[in-house]
Amino acid sequence: EVQLVESGGTLVQPGGSLRFSCAASGFTFKNFWMVWVRQAPGKGLECVASINPDGSETFYVESVKGRFTISRDNAKNLLYLQVNSLRADDTAAYYCATAEWFKSDYWGQGTLLTVSS
Amino acid sequence: QSALTQPPSASGSPGQSVTISCTGTSSDIGSYKYVSWYQQRPGKAPKLMIYEVSKRPSGVPDRFSGSKSGNTASLTVSGLQAEDEADYHCSSRADSNNVGVAFGGGTKLTVL
Repeated sequence: EVQLVESGGTLVQPGGSLRFSCAASGFTFKNFWMVWVRQAPGKGLECVASINPDGSETFYVESVKGRFTISRDNAKNLLYLQVNSLRADDTAAYYCATAEWFKSDYWGQGTLLTVSS
Repeated sequence: QSALTQPPSASGSPGQSVTISCTGTSSDIGSYKYVSWYQQRPGKAPKLMIYEVSKRPSGVPDRFSGSKSGNTASLTVSGLQAEDEADYHCSSRADSNNVGVAFGGGTKLTVL
């Protein structure tokens, strides 16, 4: 059974940092593109970062470029998202998901980030 | 503001059909076959329902169908059931951002 389990969400003050983790199992993680998708309260989905199977290519939506870093450890089947210089509009549920041919077959349950003083 | 435009709400009675639209541009929906639809129930993760405009993953009922015309994609749910009540999100390959995928704002489907 494919499983993606995110962790790391919490309450952070503006300007703060944290790292999300996503533990993958039940599939050959090292063969898949992966993405982080966020959903602000009551809003739609937004793909904020993507990474290729070997981790050599990363892409970011403009609003997080320079503040967020996506990475992966294929030996441990782990995906990460380092988020820095956090702003109130980064408040959202953050999901990790597979990304093959511009679709996401598998999603984690999400982890909630709240940015507030 | 989402890159793709969806109506905020849609509704139908059990047994009826409902169609949800997703409007983009020639830089996304209009140029690519990579349109997907996701179902999201409250507090849950999205679930892939349609990919490549009209293909269904294994296990998705054939009551769900997708199509595309020009810059607009559509999801049709036939024979509405109470369990279909959820948010539906469209996505498309997109040239407009660095990650290459754009989403719509989501449509809340209510089964009356």
